[in-house]
Amino acid sequence: DAKTTQPTSMDCAEGRAANLPCNHSTISGNEYVYWYRQIHSQGPQYIIHGLKNNETNEMASLIITEDRKSSTLILPHATLRDTAVYYCIVIAGGTSYGKLTFGQGTILTVHP
Amino acid sequence: GAGVSQTPSNKVTEKGKYVELRCDPISGHTALYWYRQSLGQGPEFLIYFQGTGAADDSGLPNDRFFAVRPEGSVSTLKIQRTERGDSAVYLCASSSRQGDTDTQYFGPGTRLTVL
Repeated sequence: DAKTTQPTSMDCAEGRAANLPCNHSTISGNEYVYWYRQIHSQGPQYIIHGLKNNETNEMASLIITEDRKSSTLILPHATLRDTAVYYCIVIAGGTSYGKLTFGQGTILTVHP
Repeated sequence: GAGVSQTPSNKVTEKGKYVELRCDPISGHTALYWYRQSLGQGPEFLIYFQGTGAADDSGLPNDRFFAVRPEGSVSTLKIQRTERGDSAVYLCASSSRQGDTDTQYFGPGTRLTVL
């Protein structure tokens, strides 16, 4: 699976949009971009995933560049409860099973 | 519906003892995964079950670690002769196929402390 690169940490003001970038320049055509987050002392929480089209759900939006080498997770109105470590993970689709390889992630701190 | 549950939430044991950690996956999920997370690190894959069989146990650190899923639902991670280095949060996830991918849903984890 392709390697991902994320900033170590980011800050965001409560109520503002949080935009978390992820680079995955070696991504292959059948690899999906997944985002999870981990709030302190909890298990990782699935947020969203996509292949090449932008995706939106009740938690977030995922914007994938046309060349698929990078993506951005957008939390439209960040709250204090969104403070967490955010992981961007690339994983193959098709018959491959979903063994996840977590990097260091981005520590997002939402402040009042 | 109910999510993935793990018991116990915390386990403290002494070096050399045997421990069992239990995972109850989401009902109907055929795939089950175990991960281990050390302090300050991301989770690391241990083993994956598809149904009752271990499809990939390449992440198990050594032969003191073993996991079973006898009926294709509940799984137990077993650690023999525990060592202080085994102290970590053990996470379980389950998934079901959704088109071309499967999305894993994690439990809250079991925090293991080996004294």
